Amino acid sequence: KAGVTQTPRYLIKTRGQQVTLSCSPISGHRSVSWYQQTPGQGLQFLFEYFSETQRNKGNFPGRFSGRQFSNSRSEMNVSTLELGDSALYLCASSLSGGKGGELFFGEGSRLTVL
Amino acid sequence: AQTVTQSQPEMSVQEAETVTLSCTYDTSESDYYLFWYKQPPSRQMILVIRQEAYKQQNATENRFSVNFQKAAKSFSLKISDSQLGDAAMYFCAYRSLRDSGGSNYKLTFGKGTLLTVNP
Repeated sequence: KAGVTQTPRYLIKTRGQQVTLSCSPISGHRSVSWYQQTPGQGLQFLFEYFSETQRNKGNFPGRFSGRQFSNSRSEMNVSTLELGDSALYLCASSLSGGKGGELFFGEGSRLTVL
Repeated sequence: AQTVTQSQPEMSVQEAETVTLSCTYDTSESDYYLFWYKQPPSRQMILVIRQEAYKQQNATENRFSVNFQKAAKSFSLKISDSQLGDAAMYFCAYRSLRDSGGSNYKLTFGKGTLLTVNP
């Protein structure tokens, strides 16, 4: 069974640009979550989607947005990039997302903002 | 809001020895899940062990076990017979069981403990 796939794995952008990251969950998983990982702040929750609906959103500015498609694939977008957006962005999928459901993580997308 | 604290940024252990990683958390809730995740240098996070707060028995998965002290809000991970492949960043995480506001759909992570295993 294929795992969670994130693309691209690495990307470099400049301040003011925007970026779109993609996440394909494990087949059959309907919940997709996004996390930002930085050395200073650690792992922070961005948002979670289930059946194309955002069920929860972390404390990030409106420049961070996401969506989920009918096939459960998800994208996140960051507009007007800032230097502080440089991070590893992790996507995780699960069957339902709630309770004790295990999250399966992808390898992440490493974003560098210059 | 819940917080998770890992007070040991780095730990090291000799191969075949035992090491304990500490985690404390703050919550006003009575029902929740706690997790330990492992992130090797390849960066893919992997679930190591899970504990339901309503269960008094400590979870065990092969060489990995936890010491869950609910009243003290402590959740430590013990790795027995450490192996070179155990070297990784370890994260403690909390998940609420409350449905309100979608709070049970996110994990709150600690800052992590980098574990080095010496041969």
